[in-house]
Amino acid sequence: AQKVTQAQTEISVVEKEDVTLDCVYETRDTTYYLFWYKQPPSGELVFLIRRNSFDEQNEISGRYSWNFQKSTSSFNFTITASQVVDSAVYFCALSDGGTGGFKTIFGAGTRLFVKA
Amino acid sequence: GAVVSQHPSRVICKSGTSVKIECRSLDFQATTMFWYRQFPKKSLMLMATSNEGSKATYEQGVEKDKFLINHASLTLSTLTVTSAHPEDSSFYICSAREPPSIGANVLTFGAGSRLTVL
Repeated sequence: AQKVTQAQTEISVVEKEDVTLDCVYETRDTTYYLFWYKQPPSGELVFLIRRNSFDEQNEISGRYSWNFQKSTSSFNFTITASQVVDSAVYFCALSDGGTGGFKTIFGAGTRLFVKA
Repeated sequence: GAVVSQHPSRVICKSGTSVKIECRSLDFQATTMFWYRQFPKKSLMLMATSNEGSKATYEQGVEKDKFLINHASLTLSTLTVTSAHPEDSSFYICSAREPPSIGANVLTFGAGSRLTVL
């Protein structure tokens, strides 16, 4: 069975601090996809990044960076120089590669508070 | 990018009535859509996979007679909460898988529908 664990329920930082959101996943599939989504207070989910299981390259997009390590089944997300607008709930998600119909399951989410 | 429209955004109904929520892919065809339910301060729970032209596939524990899903066209899926009760109050979110040209398996989400059953 697939599982996504986000052990950090809430994180509070002061603006300009760096913050890392952890994500650990479990799957028996060899082909799978990992995602991060952001849910601001408005409620709509915003796609941030997708990684397939064969691509372990880390990625940087502006203040966001992601570290994918298959050896530890982790896909961590770092926000550099956090801003108040980064305050939201962040979900890590895992999708099968087709064996289960490409269903996507979500972790419990990490609520990030960035204080001015 | 791909856009999914969900309507209504908020609905309040009396106990015992039925409520329909629509999910439309505006600029792409979605053969598969997914319906999620989110309780306050909780994660998204997958309810069912909506397949165009065929029956929906429900997750374990989800009552298919309570949550009717219809995917009549390549751009529209509907979720009907039948005989709603206060415990059905929740945030319902639909999503569609974007075309492969955009990104494999990336889900585009609707804005969600907040259902309150009195």
